[in-house]
Order: sequence, then structure tokens, then C-alpha cells
Amino acid sequence: SQTIHQWPATLVQPVGSPLSLECTVEGTSNPNLYWYRQAAGRGLQLLFYSVGIGQISSEVPQNLSASRPQDRQFILSSKKLLLSDSGFYLCAWSGGGVEAFFGQGTRLTVV
Amino acid sequence: KQEVTQIPAALSVPEGENLVLNCSFTDSAIYNLQWFRQDPGKGLTSLLLIQSSQREQTSGRLNASLDKSSGRSTLYIAASQPGDSATYLCAPQGGNKLVFGAGTILRVKS
Repeated sequence: SQTIHQWPATLVQPVGSPLSLECTVEGTSNPNLYWYRQAAGRGLQLLFYSVGIGQISSEVPQNLSASRPQDRQFILSSKKLLLSDSGFYLCAWSGGGVEAFFGQGTRLTVV
Repeated sequence: KQEVTQIPAALSVPEGENLVLNCSFTDSAIYNLQWFRQDPGKGLTSLLLIQSSQREQTSGRLNASLDKSSGRSTLYIAASQPGDSATYLCAPQGGNKLVFGAGTILRVKS
């Protein structure tokens, strides 16, 4: 069966520090991969999605970037965190036009 | 650009009631629509997936309908229980993207 791993679960980082969040998927090949952010009390905002290795689509201009170095690995990064980057980050995968599954999320607090 | 609206934003009901959660979307060119549940501080759990060619889908006490042409989906929860308390999110999928509504926060009181 397919599983999705996301880590770390929680993270507290100072303003100006770098960020790297990792997401990996098992049990499937060539998945569509997604990064979402959920600010406190708000809905999910799509940040990036990828349909293949090295293929990244950005949905909103921001202080973040994403990379897909391997088929089932999706990384969210920042060179210098801002206070406004705080939130709940969720990774998801789907087979393309079918059911999507989410990881357990990373709670990021920038202080 | 797809926009998704969920009504009501919040709902508080006594245990045992049958519930209706509404979702509307602006772009009917979708592959499917998915309903999720989110518990506080947790990730999303998939509840139901309705393909664009389907009219409804059922799982236990949950039933979801889809009217793609009018851009509407409805989630019915029968005989609600306190364990159903959570935020419910709908997400139509078009192209390669799922777009989410803000959700309905449900509280079922015992």
C-alpha cells in the first residue's frame, strides 16, 4: 500500500534561518506531489506541485522554493525564513486525476 | 481560476442529527471532487472521492453528491456522533491541482 512520510512534525526556527522540509512517498511511482500551507484559522493554500522529477510549478510568489530530486521525494526550502512563513505545511500525493493522500504535516513557527 | 466556497463555515449540533455540508466551485472542468476531514493539528484524511462521471458516493454514514454542471457538491452525515467533530474540506481537482475551500467546522455535542 502507499504511504507518505513528512518530517519533522514540528519546527521552531529563527527569522533569517534556512528551511528544509522533506516528504517521501512509498508504494507508487511517478506520483503528482504537492506542498500546501495552512495559516492559522485559514484554508489550504497550494504552494507548489510537481508532475515529475525536476518539474516544479509554483502557485504563488513567495519566500519558498521546492525541488523534486527523486521520483518520490519532494522538498520545500527557504534560504531565509520570514515571520509570515509560519504555518502548517502539508505534503500530498495523487496518481493524477484520482484520490489524493496527505501527510501528517509540519508545524513551523518562525520566531 | 478555481474558487471553492463551503457553507456553513461552522455548525454546532446535538448528537444524532442528520447534517448537510455544502460546497460550491466556479470551474466545472474537474476530474473529480474529494471530501476530507481534518482534526485539530493533524493532516487531512480522505473521506470520499467522487469521479466527474459519478453523481454520488457513499461510505458508512457519509454520502456525497456531485452536480458538476452547477458546480455543487453536498456531504450528508447521518446520525451524527461526537467523534464526527472536525473540519470538513472539499477539494475539486482539475488539471493537476486540488483547490480547497475554507472548510466547515463541525461540532457534535453529546
